[in-house]
Amino acid sequence: GQNIDQPTEMTATEGAIVQINCTYQTSGFNGLFWYQQHAGEAPTFLSYNVLDGLEEKGRFSSFLSRSKGYSYLLLKELQMKDSASYLCAVQAAGNKLTFGGGTRVLVKP
Amino acid sequence: DAGVIQSPRHEVTEMGQEVTLRCKPISGHNSLFWYRQTMMRGLELLIYFNNNVPIDDSGMPEDRFSAKMPNASFSTLKIQPSEPRDSAVYFCASNRDWLTSYNEQFFGPGTRLTVL
Repeated sequence: GQNIDQPTEMTATEGAIVQINCTYQTSGFNGLFWYQQHAGEAPTFLSYNVLDGLEEKGRFSSFLSRSKGYSYLLLKELQMKDSASYLCAVQAAGNKLTFGGGTRVLVKP
Repeated sequence: DAGVIQSPRHEVTEMGQEVTLRCKPISGHNSLFWYRQTMMRGLELLIYFNNNVPIDDSGMPEDRFSAKMPNASFSTLKIQPSEPRDSAVYFCASNRDWLTSYNEQFFGPGTRLTVL
């Protein structure tokens, strides 16, 4: 089976850094995705990791350790518009994604 | 490209009625996914198609749910009869080249279903 865990909620201050952790146990691994979802909207793609290490994309970075079944999403220089849910998803086999429950990030002024 | 198109955006119906949700994937995409999202269960995959063929329907809750993809540009998800516990946001997503490993899914705006 698939098991993906991430914290339910995090709060941070505008301009700060927040790290969202994701741990997974899956049968098979073809990559890990992070999606952003604003309230009432569809998820949108943020990042993809298939090899160990850090992938940086502007203010957002994502890290993967396959041996530890662990990933994190790092959001730097937080802005109010970053208040959203962040979904970790694992592609275990074929074209199928299994999503974690999502982490709701609240950015305060 | 217009992105993934879903209709209707909102649906309110009464228990026992048939509900049909529609999706048009992005042109050129080979795979189509139907998801359901609720506060309690998060985002769950119901079924997905590759080249119009259903590949994995293990997430379909029960026989009341059915999905079809008659051609590359159209899919439906039908619930008959609907029940209040089916109330959720239903998303359709698509991507291309399912045999490649890097293939982000593009989500439609979703259909918010309320069953009274």
